[in-house]
Amino acid sequence: QVQLQESGPGLVKPSETLSLTCGVSGHSISGANYWAWIRQPPGKGPEWIGTVDYRGSTYYNTSLINRITISVDTSKNQFSLTLSSVTAADTAIYFCTRLMNPGHFDYWGQGTLVTVSS
Amino acid sequence: SALTQPASVSGSPGQSITISCTGTSSDVGNYNIVSWYQQHPNKAPKLMIYEVNKRPSGISNRFSGSKSGNTASLTISGLQAEDEADYYCNSYGGGNAWVFGGGTKLTVL
Repeated sequence: QVQLQESGPGLVKPSETLSLTCGVSGHSISGANYWAWIRQPPGKGPEWIGTVDYRGSTYYNTSLINRITISVDTSKNQFSLTLSSVTAADTAIYFCTRLMNPGHFDYWGQGTLVTVSS
Repeated sequence: SALTQPASVSGSPGQSITISCTGTSSDVGNYNIVSWYQQHPNKAPKLMIYEVNKRPSGISNRFSGSKSGNTASLTISGLQAEDEADYYCNSYGGGNAWVFGGGTKLTVL
């Protein structure tokens, strides 16, 4: 059974950088899959943030492309998200997921709420 | 842009309901890569339908999906109280990008 677990600070100050890590268990991150970050502002629908494969190839939401970096660490079986210059609009529950070919998110972490506030 | 879903739908136990998801010729209309997710309060979304009409293992056959043109649909038959949740559609949008719908709140009366 594939399990994903997000970790990172729950509170980030405006203009600073949000950093989250997703630990994967029950499946090698080096398999033929993609891994993704999705966020959901309170009371709103989810938003795809970006995707990474085990080689480190990345694909980003164009609305966030100037502020995000997604990376993978195969030795730790985890992948990470950094989002710079955060504002209150970045307050959301952040989920990490597995993206199966050709394109559906089958396993999700429980999500972690990140609040941007001074 | 986000896919368009009705804000809410409702039905009585045993009835059937359909939730629509309207996109464009660049996403829903161009790819058979539409999925649907169920989300209960304070829970992560759960995959219910993928590739328009396929059900993952363990998902009831009361859930079915279809697509016509730029609009995809999720139908739930034999409504049960446990089906009450938010439902989101998702489509591949080309260029290695994915787009979600705004969500539909299903109320079982």
